[in-house]
Amino acid sequence: LAKTTQPISMDSYEGQEVNITCSHNNIATNDYITWYQQFPSQGPRFIIQGYKTKVTNEVASLFIPADRKSSTLSLPRVSLSDTAVYYCLVVPTDSWGKLQFGAGTQVVVTP
Amino acid sequence: DTGVSQDPRHKITKRGQNVTFRCDPISEHNRLYWYRQTLGQGPEFLTYFQNEAQLEKSRLLSDRFSAERPKGSFSTLEIQRTEQGDSAMYLCASSLKQGANVYEQYFGPGTRLTVT
Repeated sequence: LAKTTQPISMDSYEGQEVNITCSHNNIATNDYITWYQQFPSQGPRFIIQGYKTKVTNEVASLFIPADRKSSTLSLPRVSLSDTAVYYCLVVPTDSWGKLQFGAGTQVVVTP
Repeated sequence: DTGVSQDPRHKITKRGQNVTFRCDPISEHNRLYWYRQTLGQGPEFLTYFQNEAQLEKSRLLSDRFSAERPKGSFSTLEIQRTEQGDSAMYLCASSLKQGANVYEQYFGPGTRLTVT
């Protein structure tokens, strides 16, 4: 299985940048990296996806080093509504049976 | 609202009963996925379909679990002879696959199952 490791929790204040790093040492050549956000009693929501280098959208940036063994999700200027669990997911495009969410990172944003 | 709906949202059943959950994906999505999520854990992949074909089912938890997507649109997940350990949130997601590209999954709100 495409195993990932992330911090269990992170605390931040409103307006700060939050960076969550995910380790995925056994990522395969065709795998890509996706991040999801989940609020209590809701399904996960897609944030961003990338294969290598840097990807940016309207809500986050994703940094992936050349060896692709880790990735960092960057949330700029967080607000209270960004309090959620964030999951890093390695998507094995050639073998979905290997798909595995980790336990995620609980991010708590306080005023 | 992601456009993926699940029914029912909550189900309480007695041990030993059968339950069936329904998922309606986003209409143009050709892939549909089922997950199980227990408290404090990430979603656990169970199975997925491309159109009506079930392409991966080795991760279904036991032979009591089965899924169908008969016409390549909605899907059902059935659990036979439920056990207390089956109590969890069951999530459905859909996505679009075009050529070699698989786009992001859109998750439904889930069905919370409680087995008493």
